[in-house]
Amino acid sequence: KQEVTQIPAALSVPEGENLVLNCSFTDSAIYNLQWFRQDPGKGLTSLLLIQSSQREQTSGRLNASLDKSSGRSTLYIAASQPGDSATYLCAVRPGDGGSQGNLIFGKGTKLSVKP
Amino acid sequence: DVKVTQSSRYLVKRTGEKVFLECVQDMDHENMFWYRQDPGLGLRLIYFSYDVKMKEKGDIPEGYSVSREKKERFSLILESASTNQTSMYLCASTLLQGYLDSPLHFGNGTRLTVT
Repeated sequence: KQEVTQIPAALSVPEGENLVLNCSFTDSAIYNLQWFRQDPGKGLTSLLLIQSSQREQTSGRLNASLDKSSGRSTLYIAASQPGDSATYLCAVRPGDGGSQGNLIFGKGTKLSVKP
Repeated sequence: DVKVTQSSRYLVKRTGEKVFLECVQDMDHENMFWYRQDPGLGLRLIYFSYDVKMKEKGDIPEGYSVSREKKERFSLILESASTNQTSMYLCASTLLQGYLDSPLHFGNGTRLTVT
């Protein structure tokens, strides 16, 4: 059964620092991996989606990489800002053919960027 | 922009009541999902639907049912609410194009308290 792990559970950094969030998954047979952001009390906002054939995706100060064979993904945030403070979740779509788009989520990394 | 709208942000219900949570999306997505999110447990899939009148059980369907009479609307029903169903409920939708997904889009969530 696919499991998704995010370490650390919480991270605090000073403003301006570059940082990396980690995500690992146990079964390399996936269709895609997505990174989300969640602000307190709100729903999730999709940040980046990496198809299984891709190695990375970029959007502004965010860069996500995918290494399927090792079961790892990283989300790189450049020049962090207080507004980046949120919980970041990664999720994979299992490649078992029967999921119809369902995702398996990690429990998230809570990021705090201090001014 | 895709919009997923959940009808209530906060709900307080009594044990034993029948509860309806409504979700509407405006992007003609085939797939819709209901998750619940609890501290320490992350997001867990309750039910999903890949077409009108079609539904599939997720990981924790017990105590819940769903209805999808129209493509844009997916309702979650708590047949007889219990205190262990106090949670944040999140609706999501996606356009499934073969094995190339579009991102999963979430509503803002409904925080349900059962007393």
